Amino acid sequence: GNSVTQMEGPVTLSEEAFLTINCTYTATGYPSLFWYVQYPGEGLQLLLKATKADDKGSNKGFEATYRKETTSFHLEKGSVQVSDSAVYFCALSEDNQFYFGTGTSLTVIP
Amino acid sequence: GAGVSQTPSNKVTEKGKYVELRCDPISGHTALYWYRQSLGQGPEFLIYFQGTGAADDSGLPNDRFFAVRPEGSVSTLKIQRTERGDSAVYLCASSPAGRASGRTDTQYFGPGTRLTVL
Repeated sequence: GNSVTQMEGPVTLSEEAFLTINCTYTATGYPSLFWYVQYPGEGLQLLLKATKADDKGSNKGFEATYRKETTSFHLEKGSVQVSDSAVYFCALSEDNQFYFGTGTSLTVIP
Repeated sequence: GAGVSQTPSNKVTEKGKYVELRCDPISGHTALYWYRQSLGQGPEFLIYFQGTGAADDSGLPNDRFFAVRPEGSVSTLKIQRTERGDSAVYLCASSPAGRASGRTDTQYFGPGTRLTVL
């Protein structure tokens, strides 16, 4: 079946540090991959997505590349800010049925 | 334009009571999804509507849970005889076309309703 496994948190970084949140997936077909972000007190928001192998999604300085050979979609940002503190969810969609990871909490300290 | 809205934002009820949770999707979105998010977990799929019909209710945990979308816009999730284990954040999402589109749709989420069963 389909599933997503992401790096457990919480993650605490200093401002301007490099961020990686690992995400791997299991899928029966050819899914699309997403990162959603949930800021404190808010709903989930789409951060970026990739719909096929080798695609790179990017937004707000975050990037993730769809790696079919390693079944991964790791989230990266070169220099995090305090405002990036949130919970990040990796998700896959196959036939528009979504499967989410458990979320990784990120706290960025000044 | 307006996003997905959900009411109430918080609901506290007693074990055994009946609750209704409402979702207003983005205008024009034909697909609507309900998810349940327990503490420390990602959203878990409950039910999917394409228009007025429940196209996939395979995620509903048992027959105490039911959802309707009578006019193809607003949806109500209904929980009968609530149990303490039903406590969670219930999320609604909508997308332009859903599973019938043949393409990948982005789902737009509401802020959720936090249900607490005492």
